[in-house]
Amino acid sequence: GQSLEQPSEVTAVEGAIVQINCTYQTSGFYGLSWYQQHDGGAPTFLSYNALDGLEETGRFSSFLSRSDSYGYLLLQELQMKDSASYFCAVKGYQKVTFGTGTKLQVIP
Amino acid sequence: DAGVIQSPRHEVTEMGQEVTLRCKPISGHNSLFWYRQTMMRGLELLIYFNNNVPIDDSGMPEDRFSAKMPNASFSTLKIQPSEPRDSAVYFCASSFQASTEAFFGQGTRLTVV
Repeated sequence: GQSLEQPSEVTAVEGAIVQINCTYQTSGFYGLSWYQQHDGGAPTFLSYNALDGLEETGRFSSFLSRSDSYGYLLLQELQMKDSASYFCAVKGYQKVTFGTGTKLQVIP
Repeated sequence: DAGVIQSPRHEVTEMGQEVTLRCKPISGHNSLFWYRQTMMRGLELLIYFNNNVPIDDSGMPEDRFSAKMPNASFSTLKIQPSEPRDSAVYFCASSFQASTEAFFGQGTRLTVV
């Protein structure tokens, strides 16, 4: 089976940097994705890591360590609009399993 | 493309009634997923189709739930009979098989009273 763990809530100040961690256990692993979901909205894709290392897309970066079954999403220069829930998701054999999500609150 | 289209956006029904949720995936995508989201259980994969064929339905909670994909452009999720504990937001998502990115519809908020 597959299971993921991520913090339930994080609070950070506007303009700061925040890191959201994700650890996973899976019987088959192809990659780790991150999705953003605003209240009342649908999840939207942010990034995907199949190999170890850091992937950067603008203010957002995602990291993966396959040997540690660990990844993180790094958000820089936080903006109020970044307040949302962030989900990590493991792409395993034939299916994707989502974590329970981290609710990020950005405060002024 | 208009993205993944789900209908209805909101559904309120009485316990025991049949509920049918509909999804039109993005044209050209050959993988389709049905998810359920609740505060308690988060985002759960219910069933996954590839090329219109159900590949993994291990997430379907009970026999009251069924899903079909009669063609590449349409899928349904049916609950019969519905129960209050089925109240949730149901998302449909699609992707191209080899892609790592899934595109989600806006969801159907189901309330069973």
